[in-house]
Amino acid sequence: AQSVTQPDIHITVSEGASLELRCNYSYGATPYLFWYVQSPGQGLQLLLKYFSGDTLVQGIKGFEAEFKRSQSSFNLRKPSVHWSDAAEYFCAVDDGGSNYKLTFGKGTLLTVNP
Amino acid sequence: GAGVSQSPSNKVTEKGKDVELRCDPISGHTALYWYRQSLGQGLEFLIYFQGNSAPDKSGLPSDRFSAERTGGSVSTLTIQRTQQEDSAVYLCASSPQGSTDTQYFGPGTRLTVL
Repeated sequence: AQSVTQPDIHITVSEGASLELRCNYSYGATPYLFWYVQSPGQGLQLLLKYFSGDTLVQGIKGFEAEFKRSQSSFNLRKPSVHWSDAAEYFCAVDDGGSNYKLTFGKGTLLTVNP
Repeated sequence: GAGVSQSPSNKVTEKGKDVELRCDPISGHTALYWYRQSLGQGLEFLIYFQGNSAPDKSGLPSDRFSAERTGGSVSTLTIQRTQQEDSAVYLCASSPQGSTDTQYFGPGTRLTVL
């Protein structure tokens, strides 16, 4: 079975600083990869996804992620963090072949200092 | 337009009681999903409905959990004889069809079992 690891439970950055959230997956084939954000009291919102093609994908709110097959990673980045980015971020992978069943990491909580 | 709605937003119950959680998907979406978000455990898939097909119940943790979807729209997740380990946030999502890239999540129901 596949798995998703987000090594950082909690990250704190200053507003305006750059951000990188790590995600590693365990899966035999090329997975479908996703990043979701969950703000307090809100449902999950899709930031971006990777299915195939260009390994650098752009998402909403200025986020991007890079798929690196050799490292089994799909790290999320943002060049300059805004206070409104404070939230919990989840990496997810498609359950190979099901085309609907997502396996999520345990999440990274982002705190943004003024 | 209206997003996915869930009710109640919070539910407190006593151990051994039955609870029902409701999900109203986005109008026209044929696929509906339930996930459970436990503290420190991330999100786990519970069940998936797609149109009139038999649901995928492979994620339900025990036979105390069941779900139905009436008329291809509203869904109810029922937990019988609740236990303290059932305490979690239950998230519902819908998508136009059974594809992982278009899941829209509701705000969730926070269940607390005393």
